[in-house]
Amino acid sequence: GDSVTQMEGPVTLSEEACLTINCTYTATGYPSLFWYVQYPGEGLQLLLKATKADDKGSNKGFEATYRKETTSFHLEKGSVQVSDSAVYFCALSASAFFGNEKLTFGTGTRLTIIP
Amino acid sequence: ETGVTQSPTHLIKTRGQQVTLRCSSQSGHNTVSWYQQALGQGPQFIFQYYREEENGRGNFPPRFSGLQFPNYSSELNVNALELDDSALYLCASSSDEYEQYFGPGTRLTVT
Repeated sequence: GDSVTQMEGPVTLSEEACLTINCTYTATGYPSLFWYVQYPGEGLQLLLKATKADDKGSNKGFEATYRKETTSFHLEKGSVQVSDSAVYFCALSASAFFGNEKLTFGTGTRLTIIP
Repeated sequence: ETGVTQSPTHLIKTRGQQVTLRCSSQSGHNTVSWYQQALGQGPQFIFQYYREEENGRGNFPPRFSGLQFPNYSSELNVNALELDDSALYLCASSSDEYEQYFGPGTRLTVT
């Protein structure tokens, strides 16, 4: 079945450092890929998405590129801020019609940014 | 446009009891999905409702059941609660063209 493997955390960085959180996936067909963020005590918020190979999703300075050849969707940010401290989840849905497909999540990576 | 809301926020139940969790979907969305997020884990898909019918189910026992109402709000019912049911329960609403938007979750503690 479909699965998502995420870089294990926790990750601690200094403010303005570069961030990469690795995510690889296993799926049949052509899944859509997502990064969700969960701030303390809150539900999940969609951070960015990509629906086909070579698409780049971006939002709030974060980027991730859908790499079909390496089955990866790594999350990157050039300069992190204290407000980026949260848990980040990589996820996939089985098709581009993602509204009505279940999401399969990775285990999450906790990110802490130190001033 | 209102977002996805869930009630209650927190709940404490005793093993063997039954619980009902509620979710109001975002305006214009016809699909509700439920997920269980155990502490330190990613969310696991429980089931999905589309236009009042179950539209897919994850690896959860039958004591997890649900409903969707004509206004597309939804309930998750769990019977015979077990300690391992302690988790954050998330619902997400969506429609055919739009990704899933999550509510803030209900934290269930089973003692």
